[in-house]
Amino acid sequence: DADVTQTPRNRITKTGKRIMLECSQTKGHDRMYWYRQDPGLGLRLIYYSFDVKDINKGEISDGYSVSRQAQAKFSLSLESAIPNQTALYFCATSDRRTGELFFGEGSRLTVL
Amino acid sequence: AQKITQTQPGMFVQEKEAVTLDCTYDTSDQSYGLFWYKQPSSGEMIFLIYQGSYDEQNATEGRYSLNFQKARKSANLVISASQLGDSAMYFCAMREGMDSSYKLIFGSGTRLLVRP
Repeated sequence: DADVTQTPRNRITKTGKRIMLECSQTKGHDRMYWYRQDPGLGLRLIYYSFDVKDINKGEISDGYSVSRQAQAKFSLSLESAIPNQTALYFCATSDRRTGELFFGEGSRLTVL
Repeated sequence: AQKITQTQPGMFVQEKEAVTLDCTYDTSDQSYGLFWYKQPSSGEMIFLIYQGSYDEQNATEGRYSLNFQKARKSANLVISASQLGDSAMYFCAMREGMDSSYKLIFGSGTRLLVRP
């Protein structure tokens, strides 16, 4: 089983719908992240969390919210999805010493 | 201003030859880290190699090496003896932040195609 698991892997939804992407990890890391990948733009940081009580905005947090339900769980919500939120979303955890990220398999979201 | 710059959107290399993927970075921190990740067409992100700013020797991992030139703020990935399976997107990333409050910033990526 993957150390970092994302659900759903693929989702098609309509404009205005609420969407939640879930992430769970078994690596025991405190730090968790949500990134978004768009062609030609690389990965951009949406939100990150250093522990259950610590949530931080990344460079593109507008239109998104997160919840850190437990050390192992970090979910990303789109309260009212719009087409330009169509992207590949990655959850990741990080090693405290080096900062190396361990990624989930990605969640491909399409907003029509 | 971009903190991580990958100037090669796409590159070709002949199988069994070496290839260098460019990455330059911008930071005023003394302590930072540089990473390379590979993303094959299946979409997962695979860690390749890491270089800490205080590491005196260039990092190597099998066929991957990181040509770290601190004064020039470059961290180029060298892949020796390219294989067809090396065809993928490659992302350079920098650990940013003081103490333990860090996050990774990514470049826009380079798509490498290995020709048989």
